[in-house]
Amino acid sequence: EDKVVQSPLSLVVHEGDTVTLNCSYEVTNFRSLLWYKQEKKAPTFLFMLTSSGIEKKSGRLSSILDKKELFSILNITATQTGDSAIYLCAVGGGAQKLVFGQGTRLTINP
Amino acid sequence: NAGVTQTPKFRILKIGQSMTLQCTQDMNHNYMYWYRQDPGMGLKLIYYSVGAGITDKGEVPNGYNVSRSTTEDFPLRLELAAPSQTSVYFCASLARVVVGADTQYFGPGTRLTVL
Repeated sequence: EDKVVQSPLSLVVHEGDTVTLNCSYEVTNFRSLLWYKQEKKAPTFLFMLTSSGIEKKSGRLSSILDKKELFSILNITATQTGDSAIYLCAVGGGAQKLVFGQGTRLTINP
Repeated sequence: NAGVTQTPKFRILKIGQSMTLQCTQDMNHNYMYWYRQDPGMGLKLIYYSVGAGITDKGEVPNGYNVSRSTTEDFPLRLELAAPSQTSVYFCASLARVVVGADTQYFGPGTRLTVL
């Protein structure tokens, strides 16, 4: 059975801190790993990674994939209160489906 | 383009009632998906469709039915609603499944409460 596990489940930090969110997976026929940010509504797309060792970067957010060890990390530097959200990791595996992790709830305190 | 739209935004049902959640996309995407998200949890796939006339079960299909008569529409039917179906329901679509094109676009969600 395909599985995606995120850690930690919840994280509270102060504004300006750097955070690292983890995602490990076991899926058949891995195609890609995606990160989404979910505030109060629908998930919004952040990154998609398909190759090991390549860092995707957008402003203060970056992500890297390790296909050998089957995990990915999402880094957020100089955090802001607007970064408070649930961060979802999803993996494209067999068939045409994404398997989602349970999410990490990130809270940034001013 | 409006993207993926869902109606209604909110609904309260009594146990045993039925309803249809509507999902429409105007991006001409072949693939469409229904997820549910329980409080504090990730998304679980209910049903998906790879094109008009083709549907398949996801991880948690019991208590739901779908149809896909057109490319644009993918309604989700709840028969005999139960409290366990209280959740937020998201519809999503995807143009095609190839490496580098897995990004699913999500609708705004329907918050359903069954009392």
